[in-house]
Amino acid sequence: AQSVTQLDSQVPVFEEAPVELRCNYSSSVSVYLFWYVQYPNQGLQLLLKYLSGSTLVESINGFEAEFNKSQTSFHLRKPSVHISDTAEYFCAVSDPGGYNKLIFGAGTRLAVHP
Amino acid sequence: ETGVTQSPTHLIKTRGQQVTLRCSSQSGHNTVSWYQQALGQGPQFIFQYYREEENGRGNFPPRFSGLQFPNYSSELNVNALELDDSALYLCASSPQAANTEAFFGQGTRLTVV
Repeated sequence: AQSVTQLDSQVPVFEEAPVELRCNYSSSVSVYLFWYVQYPNQGLQLLLKYLSGSTLVESINGFEAEFNKSQTSFHLRKPSVHISDTAEYFCAVSDPGGYNKLIFGAGTRLAVHP
Repeated sequence: ETGVTQSPTHLIKTRGQQVTLRCSSQSGHNTVSWYQQALGQGPQFIFQYYREEENGRGNFPPRFSGLQFPNYSSELNVNALELDDSALYLCASSPQAANTEAFFGQGTRLTVV
């Protein structure tokens, strides 16, 4: 069975500092990987995804994530965070051969301080 | 193009009651999935509907049921509500059942007292 582990429940960081949110997954098959962001009292928004091809994927707002098959990881990074990046971030996996069922991690709360 | 919309946004029910939550999928999407997000946790997959048929189910009891209509909107029904059913219920639509991006609605916050 697939599972996702987000290693940090909370990550405090100062504005303009770099940040890395860690995600490891467990699966016996190939996977699709996603990062979603959830702002307070809102639903989930897709931040970026890895389906195939280049292992480094980027979002339009400066986040990037790298798929590492040997380490079964998909860590999310941003070189310089803003106050507006404060949110809950969820890593998720799905099975390319199955239906579109997402398995989520428990989430990482990113708190950006001035 | 309208996004995924859910109603109501908030709901308070009493233990033992029944509840129906509604979701309108994004235009052109024929697949709807429902997730339960308990406080402080990640979303858990409840089930998926594709072209009006249940297409997969997570580890939820039968008192969680659903429907999808010809216009691809969907309902989630929960019978015999329990306190632990208190959660944010999220609906997500996709262009097809195969694995592509899922677009989420704002969610319905259900509180069972």
